Amino acid sequence: GESVGLHLPTLSVQEGDNSIINCAYSNSASDYFIWYKQESGKGPQFIIDIRSNMDKRQGQRVTVLLNKTVKHLSLQIAATQPGDSAVYFCAETRRDSNYQLIWGAGTKLIIKP
Amino acid sequence: ETGVTQSPTHLIKTRGQQVTLRCSSQSGHNTVSWYQQALGQGPQFIFQYYREEENGRGNFPPRFSGLQFPNYSSELNVNALELDDSALYLCASSLNWGLDNEQFFGPGTRLTVL
Repeated sequence: GESVGLHLPTLSVQEGDNSIINCAYSNSASDYFIWYKQESGKGPQFIIDIRSNMDKRQGQRVTVLLNKTVKHLSLQIAATQPGDSAVYFCAETRRDSNYQLIWGAGTKLIIKP
Repeated sequence: ETGVTQSPTHLIKTRGQQVTLRCSSQSGHNTVSWYQQALGQGPQFIFQYYREEENGRGNFPPRFSGLQFPNYSSELNVNALELDDSALYLCASSLNWGLDNEQFFGPGTRLTVL
């Protein structure tokens, strides 16, 4: 079946270090991917997106890498801060599903002081 | 803040009852999407409305229905509640739908079915 999944349910990193959150997807027709951050008690918040015709995109302190060969994407957060503590979701979408978002289970990022 | 609000914040219902959840989108946003998020899981797409018409639906039974109004508000109705309907219900609004239309999420309504 189709799915978007994450490798680790929890990731613990030292404050100031870089964080890397991974995500695997199974449908090669996926053409658009989004990373969301969800803090406790809040709805998901858009972080960064990437289209399938790209393999890297950078934002402020965040970078998304897309490897279509192995159907894998990652979110890199530079110099992790306490405010980065949250659950991170990758979501995929594609034209033939009317661009409905299909979400992974999420990775909880814990920042150690 | 995203400018998307939802009410109520929390709700407790019993099995078999009906519930209506409400969402107020950002002004000017023609699209609203509803998601169900079970504890510890990612959101699951329920349906999407564009200019008051449903234009996409996930794998949810017909007892999940919705409405979108011209004043940028919308409703999610669930009939014949089941225990498994207990979840956080999220709405998200966007200007339009498709690529490059960022979805702005509300804080959600936590529904508990007893």
